[in-house]
Amino acid sequence: QVQLVESGGGVVQPGRSLRLSCAASGFSFSDSGMHWVRQAPGKGLEWVAVISYGGTNKFYIDSVKGRFTISRDDSKNTLYLQMNSLRVEDTAVYYCAKELATLNYFDYWGQGTLVTVSS
Amino acid sequence: EIVLTQSPATLSLSPGERATLSCRASQSVKSYLAWYQHKPGQAPRLLIYDASNRATGIPARFSGSGSGTDFTLTISSLEPEDFAVYYCQQRAIWLTFGGGTKVEIK
Repeated sequence: QVQLVESGGGVVQPGRSLRLSCAASGFSFSDSGMHWVRQAPGKGLEWVAVISYGGTNKFYIDSVKGRFTISRDDSKNTLYLQMNSLRVEDTAVYYCAKELATLNYFDYWGQGTLVTVSS
Repeated sequence: EIVLTQSPATLSLSPGERATLSCRASQSVKSYLAWYQHKPGQAPRLLIYDASNRATGIPARFSGSGSGTDFTLTISSLEPEDFAVYYCQQRAIWLTFGGGTKVEIK
């Protein structure tokens, strides 16, 4: 069955960096677009970034452009999110999600990893 | 940016009752809208995509309708496991979510 397992979250000071990972199994990872979606405490869901299958195309929400980088290693079936210059407002549970076909919907999600940015 | 407004914010119902959730877009998203169920501490679950298509394994009591700017998720008869927060999401222009509707036990 499809499994997505995030890791790498934790507590970090503003301005510092963190790298999230998402280990995928149970589907053809290299053929799938992959996304990061986050949920700040007490808030709703917010899409963060997408990487196409093959890794050619990457898109980001405006608030993270220039600070976050999404990448993938198909040989390891792993998705990454490099987060630099972190801000307090980046505090959230970060989910990785598999794209349904090429439709930009999310048919499988991980359990999430909590990132807390605090001094 | 397309803003999705969900209503009501909270819906208090009893098991067996019908739930009707609304999602309104600030501009047309055609039929490019999905619904998700999210329970605390769990991964969100895709219920409906492209406004009315049930995702794999989703029970028939969940149905979606609408196009353009007005969409509805209907749960025909609430089961105990259906009490959760529901989000709509559009893919017409970038990707945005609504603020959510919490379906709670009355």
